[in-house]
Amino acid sequence: SAVISQKPSRDICQRGTSLTIQCQVDSQVTMMFWYRQQPGQSLTLIATANQGSEATYESGFVIDKFPISRPNLTFSTLTVSNMSPEDSSIYLCSVGSDSGNTIYFGEGSWLTVV
Amino acid sequence: GQQVMQIPQYQHVQEGEDFTTYCNSSTTLSNIQWYKQRPGGHPVFLIQLVKSGEVKKQKRLTFQFGEAKKNSSLHITATQTTDVGTYFCAANTGNQFYFGTGTSLTVIP
Repeated sequence: SAVISQKPSRDICQRGTSLTIQCQVDSQVTMMFWYRQQPGQSLTLIATANQGSEATYESGFVIDKFPISRPNLTFSTLTVSNMSPEDSSIYLCSVGSDSGNTIYFGEGSWLTVV
Repeated sequence: GQQVMQIPQYQHVQEGEDFTTYCNSSTTLSNIQWYKQRPGGHPVFLIQLVKSGEVKKQKRLTFQFGEAKKNSSLHITATQTTDVGTYFCAANTGNQFYFGTGTSLTVIP
């Protein structure tokens, strides 16, 4: 499986600010995804990061709030904009396996908004 | 997205007891995956089931896919403290993966 590095690993953010999370993969991958995991909850898919085009967002998530970049096949960023305490979550970058049947996760970015 | 429910939400067991979590979907699944997330960690892939009625084992863990491919179970025999964590099933629709609600397992020494 690919090695997935996320940063920051943890941050405390002020309400109203924005934070960009970076995801670097050690090999080229076709499918990259961003998930959110609120405290004590399951994982919710935010969007699929598409290389060279706009991300595909799931219902309830919009580009203005969670802009995503995917400039190449090894890197993606997720920005959490105009943060509020409700955005306090773990944000996880993931990549699909070559077969497309499984996904692997980075270690996550733990954000606390105060 | 795909709706996948898991029960129970929480389970406390004495070390040495068995544990089972169930995953249910209202629609037929092409395959199902299981993941484990340790406290403070990220989800780690355990296994994938594809065939109707498939059973796979990993040491003390037994995974089963229902005949109708709408449900799945994970059974742990003789739990150990290292089994602590949250177990998620996940189903994919096309290239998107949707996770079940998870079962949080606590093992009491």
